[in-house]
Amino acid sequence: DSGVTQTPKHLITATGQRVTLRCSPRSGDLSVYWYQQSLDQGLQFLIQYYNGEERAKGNILERFSAQQFPDLHSELNLSSLELGDSALYFCASSASGLRQETQYFGPGTRLLVL
Amino acid sequence: DQQVKQNSPSLSVQEGRISILNCDYTNSMFDYFLWYKKYPAEGPTFLISISSIKDKNEDGRFTVFLNKSAKHLSLHIVPSQPGDSAVYFCAANNIRAGGTSYGKLTFGQGTILTVHP
Repeated sequence: DSGVTQTPKHLITATGQRVTLRCSPRSGDLSVYWYQQSLDQGLQFLIQYYNGEERAKGNILERFSAQQFPDLHSELNLSSLELGDSALYFCASSASGLRQETQYFGPGTRLLVL
Repeated sequence: DQQVKQNSPSLSVQEGRISILNCDYTNSMFDYFLWYKKYPAEGPTFLISISSIKDKNEDGRFTVFLNKSAKHLSLHIVPSQPGDSAVYFCAANNIRAGGTSYGKLTFGQGTILTVHP
């Protein structure tokens, strides 16, 4: 158990809908990362937050947005969902968001768009 | 553009033998490399890392080798155990870069390791 929690574990929805994925970092960690893993792909970095502020951005679609709240939990919002958005979404956390820090991953949310 | 590649989708080895997992990268700016292990229904778990100033790092049964000129790294597991059966991901970062790539880990596609008793 990494100490990072993600809810829900599974999510099934329809095209055009909007969903929110939630992540709670390890106790004491200030930085949160979101990654997407599509079928047969490695994890693709989406976005990083540090203490409520956006720190780094990957190839995150404009239909996707995220935020980190004062209690440090983070939410990833996916809107106007398409079939291709079906994937595993992982959240990770690290202490200070420094590049060489180990990132601890949650169990992921499996999203299926029908 | 796959900047980190794991060309072997799967590897099968006998318990007690050596497992060698390979990873190639194309971005010469990468200077920090990590291996993660992932079991089904769990998130990736950090295994071992290596900085580009080294060519080898060891932690128990796990050793990572880095060949910068070939842009290649490998993970050796000796001896392999059935509990090592998992998906192994290679990842890379640039710890000296500026700009917006601060926390970004670039992952390979993963290699499924199966260790047979």
